[in-house]
Amino acid sequence: GAGVSQSPSNKVTEKGKDVELRCDPISGHTALYWYRQRLGQGLEFLIYFQGNSAPDKSGLPSDRFSAERTGESVSTLTIQRTQQEDSAVYLCASTPVGGSYEQYFGPGTRLTVT
Amino acid sequence: SQQGEEDPQALSIQEGENATMNCSYKTSINNLQWYRQNSGRGLVHLILIRSNEREKHSGRLRVTLDTSKKSSSLLITASRAADTASYFCATASSGGYNKLIFGAGTRLAVHP
Repeated sequence: GAGVSQSPSNKVTEKGKDVELRCDPISGHTALYWYRQRLGQGLEFLIYFQGNSAPDKSGLPSDRFSAERTGESVSTLTIQRTQQEDSAVYLCASTPVGGSYEQYFGPGTRLTVT
Repeated sequence: SQQGEEDPQALSIQEGENATMNCSYKTSINNLQWYRQNSGRGLVHLILIRSNEREKHSGRLRVTLDTSKKSSSLLITASRAADTASYFCATASSGGYNKLIFGAGTRLAVHP
């Protein structure tokens, strides 16, 4: 079946603009995660959604970052008033349930803030 | 703060040689996973080892886990140029959900 998809694949934006990144998880996967990866570094956890439970937002770096997910479908990550330090690859992953399973990653969105 | 720390940061070998990457972590874990990333984009899951397991194999991959030392190693045998990628370990803490904490990764280059 189809894997995790993300759009856009690349986004260039000017400092101060808002951006919205989209993630389509694998159908039936109840858990969804967002990560940020700066150049040459590992992945930083941002936010976790599990079904209709309250999301774990503990990784969001500032109040400029927010994410939404309706049920077990698409999620959007919004960054308001983008800064140059927001430049990174944003990765989304999903798992069948919110337990200790392997995560299935999308190809990521490369965000460049000029 | 990062949980997993890989070493070496970079590794360069010839085809046919074995590649060993190490990962250390700080807190109790439920499981440890290794992922591969090509060209800085999506990650691919390689292998998961649970805290009560000591060794696991998958094809040319061998993973060990030493919970007393809070460390793991990934061995790729008979490496190929196509193994060139970045490799990350990620730990899932005991209790709670599968929130993975990733290390900074090892960049492996396999030369023909």
